[in-house]
Amino acid sequence: GNSVTQMEGPVTLSEEAFLTINCTYTATGYPSLFWYVQYPGEGLQLLLKATKADDKGSNKGFEATYRKETTSFHLEKGSVQVSDSAVYFCALSEGDKIIFGKGTRLHILP
Amino acid sequence: DAMVIQNPRYQVTQFGKPVTLSCSQTLNHNVMYWYQQKSSQAPKLLFHYYDKDFNNEADTPDNFQSRRPNTSFCFLDIRSPGLGDAAMYLCATSRDRASGPYNEQFFGPGTRLTVL
Repeated sequence: GNSVTQMEGPVTLSEEAFLTINCTYTATGYPSLFWYVQYPGEGLQLLLKATKADDKGSNKGFEATYRKETTSFHLEKGSVQVSDSAVYFCALSEGDKIIFGKGTRLHILP
Repeated sequence: DAMVIQNPRYQVTQFGKPVTLSCSQTLNHNVMYWYQQKSSQAPKLLFHYYDKDFNNEADTPDNFQSRRPNTSFCFLDIRSPGLGDAAMYLCATSRDRASGPYNEQFFGPGTRLTVL
């Protein structure tokens, strides 16, 4: 079946550091890919999405590119802020459902 | 603003005492989902509605039931909560696939359930 694998956390960085959170997927067909973010005590929010190969999703300085050849959708940000501290979930669509990765907790130190 | 609303945000119940969590949406989406999320884990899909069609996940315990009386509202009923049912319960909505390729899900803020 379809699945998502993302890097284990927690990831701890200093403010203004470069961020990469790796995500790879296994899927039949061509799913849409997503990054969701969950701030403490809240529900999930869609951060960015890509619906086909080579699409780049971007939002709030975060970017991810749908790489069919490497089945990857890595999340990047050039300069993180303390307010980016949260849990990040990589996900893919499967029909009307979404398959989530296990999540990566990100801590940004001032 | 169009949104997904969950009430209450925090719910405390006693072991074995039935509890109902509610979700409403102003997005007019025809698909609604209930997830269970335990600490430091990914959300786990319990079931979803495609309009009024109920779709149960194979590993969802019988203790969990759901109702969707209309497009806007969906309820999660836990008939006899156990200590292991303490978790965050998330409601989400989406358009169906026929509406476009995205089918992104929009989440409510969640209800944190404590079982004493």
